[in-house]
Amino acid sequence: EIVMTQSPLSLPVTPGEPASISCRSSQSLLHTNGHNYLDWYLHKPGQSPQLLIFLGSKRASGVPDRFSGSGSGTDFTLKISRVEAEDVGVYYCMQALQNGTFGQGTKVEIK
Amino acid sequence: EVQLVQSGAEVKKPGESLKISCQGSGFSFISYWIVWVRQTPGKGLEWMGTIYPFDSDTTYSPSFQGQVTMSVDKSIRTAYLQWDSLKASDSAVYYCARRVGGYDYWGQGTLVTVSS
Repeated sequence: EIVMTQSPLSLPVTPGEPASISCRSSQSLLHTNGHNYLDWYLHKPGQSPQLLIFLGSKRASGVPDRFSGSGSGTDFTLKISRVEAEDVGVYYCMQALQNGTFGQGTKVEIK
Repeated sequence: EVQLVQSGAEVKKPGESLKISCQGSGFSFISYWIVWVRQTPGKGLEWMGTIYPFDSDTTYSPSFQGQVTMSVDKSIRTAYLQWDSLKASDSAVYYCARRVGGYDYWGQGTLVTVSS
């Protein structure tokens, strides 16, 4: 089973400042078709998780362009260019190459 | 409008059985993989398994294999997650979601509480 490791697990942020979350997989998520099977989700309190990024770097419909995903193989990053108050919640990476595995989650809160 | 609507909260005793549901609308239900995800305060989100309604092809996470059963009823566009004998550790919120690229639409979640 592919293991996903996120860091940091807690991230205090200042509105207007950038933020970054790292995700590492125990095996390469690069498929022979050239796509990295890595998603990013945000789970806000009291809501269902929402898809932010799929295939490593493709922004989901309706997701603000301040969110971006990058990386390939085993190392991936989610960046928020300028954090807004509504971005608080727990962020998860998830590998979709072999079924699915979520990372531990990164709790983002306002300083 | 794409929707996944899950059944309501359940309170059960250890050893009891349970079947929760996830009904899709607004899309071709049989053509999309449906996943079940468990959320607990201590472990975050856990991928439980996935089912393809067209042919009921199912894959379980090793952590949940033998612990739950996934099924579908195509005629009513509904996926199910069931337990034969609940344990206190099954207490959690369970989500269903469909996969298109990523998991783009999610149900509202079903809270399952197992307590004696």
